[in-house]
Amino acid sequence: NAGVTQTPKFRILKIGQSMTLQCTQDMNHNYMYWYRQDPGMGLKLIYYSVGAGITDKGEVPNGYNVSRSTTEDFPLRLELAAPSQTSVYFCASGLEGYYGYTFGSGTRLTVV
Amino acid sequence: GENVEQHPSTLSVQEGDSAVIKCTYSDSASNYFPWYKQELGKRPQLIIDIRSNVGEKKDQRIAVTLNKTAKHFSLHITETQPEDSAVYFCAASKNSGGSNYKLTFGKGTLLTVNP
Repeated sequence: NAGVTQTPKFRILKIGQSMTLQCTQDMNHNYMYWYRQDPGMGLKLIYYSVGAGITDKGEVPNGYNVSRSTTEDFPLRLELAAPSQTSVYFCASGLEGYYGYTFGSGTRLTVV
Repeated sequence: GENVEQHPSTLSVQEGDSAVIKCTYSDSASNYFPWYKQELGKRPQLIIDIRSNVGEKKDQRIAVTLNKTAKHFSLHITETQPEDSAVYFCAASKNSGGSNYKLTFGKGTLLTVNP
């Protein structure tokens, strides 16, 4: 099992550009999440999904979009990148219930 | 929504000493409390968790305690070693089915164990 795989690991974007962060999991988890991690601020939830075709906003959704067409994949789309979106992005997956998440290795994004 | 406060933000101990990190939560319906360890440049990894029907759980040198009445829970690390140096995050969620399963994280504690 690969677990949760994120690509790319690093990316530099110019202001106004767009990109998609990819996330895939092979554990048949129904729940998937996108968090961003800023220094000293912990992990903030951007979007999450409880299953294919179902997504919902988290705490900081502005400037992002997601889709969940399959159980395995949960891409995060950044439209019109802004410097405030410079962060480390983690995808995670999990099962409903008393289980923790499995995190991907993260994507370090810089917007200049 | 849920709010999780974590203290201290930084903690420095000598090797062999104990370390304690405390968290409080706001939603009395929260019933699942995991702790994650994140080494520099790595992903967060689950190290221990506790459910609301349990007051304490141990796993070798780490333990977690939960006080539901006071709405706080703590991570205890005994006989600390340099490899325990990392950022530790607490989290809380309420697992009542459906779309409620999402973790709210504290801001993290940077633990440094000095040799």
